[in-house]
Amino acid sequence: DIQMTQSPSSLSASVGDRVTITCRASQSISTYLNWYQQKPGKAPKLLIYAASNLQSGVPSRFSGSGSGTDFTLTISSLQPEDFATYYCQQSYDTPQFGQGTKVEI
Amino acid sequence: QVQLVESGGDLVKPGGSLRLSCAASGFTFSDYYMSWIRQAPGKGLEWVSSISYSGNTIYYADSVKGRFIISRDNAKNSLLLQMNSLRADDTALYYCASLKSFRDAFDISGQGTMVTVSS
Repeated sequence: DIQMTQSPSSLSASVGDRVTITCRASQSISTYLNWYQQKPGKAPKLLIYAASNLQSGVPSRFSGSGSGTDFTLTISSLQPEDFATYYCQQSYDTPQFGQGTKVEI
Repeated sequence: QVQLVESGGDLVKPGGSLRLSCAASGFTFSDYYMSWIRQAPGKGLEWVSSISYSGNTIYYADSVKGRFIISRDNAKNSLLLQMNSLRADDTALYYCASLKSFRDAFDISGQGTMVTVSS
């Protein structure tokens, strides 16, 4: 199975900060990497698919990059509504999620 | 507009069985792969199972293989998960999700249904 490792597991940031979350796959997954945002008590919401494609309706301050084994989710200017937990997920093989990154104030 | 409504969650004793349902609307159900994803209280997301358009290709996570059975009824736009030999570590909120193909991202539109396994 392909293992997904996210870092950091949590971070503290302020409104307006640039935030970067990384996700590493245990083997190459090309660009079969997706990012989700989950707020407490809510279902996960797709932000980025295929490593760098912004899902419709998602603000342009979110961006994704990477290929192979190393991927990055960037929030260019953190907004109050962005405080949440973020998950990466590989879809190259049987799906696997990263352990999540909690973005806190 | 894609809508997925999960139901069937309950409190069940270890070793028991439960059947989850997901009612789909707003899209052509038979054109989508469907999956179950779960989240234990305070934990991360875990993929459980996926089924192809007609149901002839099925995948399971190792943690549920041999105990859970995924199926679909395209005529009724519904996805099912038969859960047998339930264990405490199956306690979770179960979401159904749609995806255009096996390698696509998940669209998790529902609010989930809670399964609690406890004596």
